[in-house]
Amino acid sequence: GAVVSQHPSWVICKSGTSVKIECRSLDFQATTMFWYRQFPKQSLMLMATSNEGSKATYEQGVEKDKFLINHASLTLSTLTVTSAHPEDSSFYICSATGREANQPQHFGDGTRLSIL
Amino acid sequence: EDKVVQSPLSLVVHEGDTVTLNCSYEVTNFRSLLWYKQEKKAPTFLFMLTSSGIEKKSGRLSSILDKKELFSILNITATQTGDSAVYLCAGASDSWGKLQFGAGTQVVVTP
Repeated sequence: GAVVSQHPSWVICKSGTSVKIECRSLDFQATTMFWYRQFPKQSLMLMATSNEGSKATYEQGVEKDKFLINHASLTLSTLTVTSAHPEDSSFYICSATGREANQPQHFGDGTRLSIL
Repeated sequence: EDKVVQSPLSLVVHEGDTVTLNCSYEVTNFRSLLWYKQEKKAPTFLFMLTSSGIEKKSGRLSSILDKKELFSILNITATQTGDSAVYLCAGASDSWGKLQFGAGTQVVVTP
């Protein structure tokens, strides 16, 4: 149980393009989803927390107009990197937790984003 | 500011050795301490610890939490090459279970 699917797994695109990443909970209802970014040889940095049906809460230093998060249903959250530039190239990972209290976050497989 | 510190940052062991990974934390409204294993993709869940002094075990892996000293360890016995990975420790706070990750310990197990 507790499977999180993330799509696409790899994206290469030109500078200025907007890229959408999907995160789905396949066998549970994800009341809260988290988006992380990971640079090579570094740990996961939380970008934002989203609860179903409400606006995402962004961490300090993360531009909310740059990284648009939508959590419209209990099984889907999306992260859109708008007008992506080479410095946005990174490994983006989502995670999700369900309704039950004190449950671990389960992670998707991540999306490797390369902006040329 | 919340902080999670892992040590060592990396280590190389031979198959069959035992490794001990350390994690100290300072997390506001601390709720639990989690361990994850990360290979090439995203982290996979290993343990969640909420109570002090109670060891959790899964096969050759075990972990324990000391809430007084704000510390946790992860042990791997009889290591195998498949244990090679980055092991991440994270502190969860009451705020939606938000995780503060440590930098990770890279473990390399040689045949």
